[in-house]
Amino acid sequence: GQNIDQPTEMTATEGAIVQINCTYQTSGFNGLFWYQQHAGEAPTFLSYNVLDGLEEKGRFSSFLSRSKGYSYLLLKELQMKDSASYLCAVLPNDYKLSFGAGTTVTVRA
Amino acid sequence: GAVVSQHPSRVICKSGTSVKIECRSLDFQATTMFWYRQFPKQSLMLMATSNEGSKATYEQGVEKDKFLINHASLTLSTLTVTSAHPEDSSFYICSAKDTDDHEQYFGPGTRLTVT
Repeated sequence: GQNIDQPTEMTATEGAIVQINCTYQTSGFNGLFWYQQHAGEAPTFLSYNVLDGLEEKGRFSSFLSRSKGYSYLLLKELQMKDSASYLCAVLPNDYKLSFGAGTTVTVRA
Repeated sequence: GAVVSQHPSRVICKSGTSVKIECRSLDFQATTMFWYRQFPKQSLMLMATSNEGSKATYEQGVEKDKFLINHASLTLSTLTVTSAHPEDSSFYICSAKDTDDHEQYFGPGTRLTVT
């Protein structure tokens, strides 16, 4: 089976930066996704990394190191609306997305 | 971007009845659709993968006779929960992709409550 680990909860202050780490051990690797999910809603796509390095997209950035089986999602200039669950998901050899348990981020004023 | 719809968004049914959930890709042809289930405070768990025109592939522990999946066209897949029980109450989410795309596009989800 696939193993994807990420912290359960994180809390940060509005305007601050939060980094959500994700480590994975999977049968093959065809990319890593980050999704944002608000309570009661479906996940929305944030980023996709398949090569090592940092991908920046506005306030959100995602980093990947394939040799370390490691990724992080960086959220900058946090806003209250960023309070949500953030899901790390890996696409292994069978091309079936395998999700981590999700990290609940709470942004405080 | 690609849009996937689900219907209904919420459904309440009585124990023992069946309920059908539709998943449609609105602006692309979905050669593969995935059905997930998500219990409160848990992550998405893949239930089955369906390819247009062929039988669905179910994940271990998912009863194929209870969760009937039909992917009859390139834009529509349906999940029927048969003889529903309260423990089937969950958030059901579909996603769709075409052959050349690594990204899955998620539907808005269906909240099923079995009373």
